[in-house]
Amino acid sequence: KNEVEQSPQNLTAQEGEFITINCSYSVGISALHWLQQHPGGGIVSLFMLSSGKKKHGRLIATINIQEKHSSLHITASHPRDSAVYICAVDTSGSRLTFGEGTQLTVNP
Amino acid sequence: EAGVAQSPRYKIIEKRQSVAFWCNPISGHATLYWYQQILGQGPKLLIQFQNNGVVDDSQLPKDRFSAERLKGVDSTLKIQPAKLEDSAVYLCASSLDLHSGANVLTFGAGSRLTVL
Repeated sequence: KNEVEQSPQNLTAQEGEFITINCSYSVGISALHWLQQHPGGGIVSLFMLSSGKKKHGRLIATINIQEKHSSLHITASHPRDSAVYICAVDTSGSRLTFGEGTQLTVNP
Repeated sequence: EAGVAQSPRYKIIEKRQSVAFWCNPISGHATLYWYQQILGQGPKLLIQFQNNGVVDDSQLPKDRFSAERLKGVDSTLKIQPAKLEDSAVYLCASSLDLHSGANVLTFGAGSRLTVL
């Protein structure tokens, strides 16, 4: 069993829909990262959080430390949001452990 | 500020050949990481440097992979000899400091290796 599990693996949505991507982890962490990777592109850090909730534009990230669970929400989704979204946890010693990623496709 | 620079962006080699990738982190970032990302999978840490010292290389296949960061700035990752299963994107990332608490990473665009 992977230390970081993401769901769903693939997600297809229509433009304007509200999207949720989930991440569960099984280890103690100091922080959790949500990353975005476009095809052929590098990885962009969206959020780093250790508690509560963060919001940036149409993106919202939440984390529940007790339940070892985080969600990434996208409101009013747009085709340009199509990308792979990766959850990564920062364990003590600053090693990042990555989930397998969620491939999001938003159709116009 | 300039981002993490990597080169080459693409490389195609035959198995048993050697290849080297270069990374220049963000100025002032003490911590540098090399990740291997195989198609359809999340990145896997190969090696982590703090300045010019190795912090973690437990997942680096040391029989064929090597990495150095001699002056604590830019870094090279070498594969010799390459195998078919080494085909992947090699990502370099840097962060301010291992011990600064919040570990925000900035990634380079990656170097895509195809081994034929």
